[in-house]
Amino acid sequence: EVQLVESGGGLVKPGGSLRLSCAASGFTFSLYTMNWVRQAPGKGLEWVASISGSGYVHYAESVKGRLTISRDNAQTSLFLQMNSLRPEDTAVYYCARDAYWADYWGQGTLVTVSS
Amino acid sequence: SSVLTQPQSLSVAPGNTARITCEENNLGNKSVHWYQQRPGQAPLLVIFYENDRPSGIPARFSGSHSGSTATLTITRVEAGDEADYYCQVWDNSHDHHWIFGGGTRLTVL
Repeated sequence: EVQLVESGGGLVKPGGSLRLSCAASGFTFSLYTMNWVRQAPGKGLEWVASISGSGYVHYAESVKGRLTISRDNAQTSLFLQMNSLRPEDTAVYYCARDAYWADYWGQGTLVTVSS
Repeated sequence: SSVLTQPQSLSVAPGNTARITCEENNLGNKSVHWYQQRPGQAPLLVIFYENDRPSGIPARFSGSHSGSTATLTITRVEAGDEADYYCQVWDNSHDHHWIFGGGTRLTVL
């Protein structure tokens, strides 16, 4: 059974940093591109970043230079390093497996950026 | 960059059919996927590659695509179908990867 479990969310001040993790199991992790998708309170889904199995990355324009996606295939884990956080980064962050669509999602972790 | 337009809301009586649209000028050459998100839950894939259903998704859910409009159709709507529904495409331009529509809130009367 495919499982994706996010962790690392919390309350952080503007300008602060946070590192999200997503533990994957139930599939051959290294073969799949993985993504982070976020959802601000009461808003829709927004793609944030993706990373291929070999480490090729893409970012949404809104997060370039501040958020960094990475992965550890040996530990079957996905990460999102979040620096220079802004109030508009407040959202539930989901990790999702990529098949050109998101075929599996984690339960999400809430990041709140507020002073 | 691509913008997928969905109606904000739709209300349907139980047993009737819901049709949720997703529009974009260049949708004709893209595959459209659909997600259901119940309140407080993560999104769930309900349709991929226009009209394929993942295991466990009832046949009441179907997709179609004509020109610039894709449609998610839910027949014999049930109370449990009340949720937000999002369309999505894969877009290789301007560093975008996944593009999501704004979402449609389906209310079952």
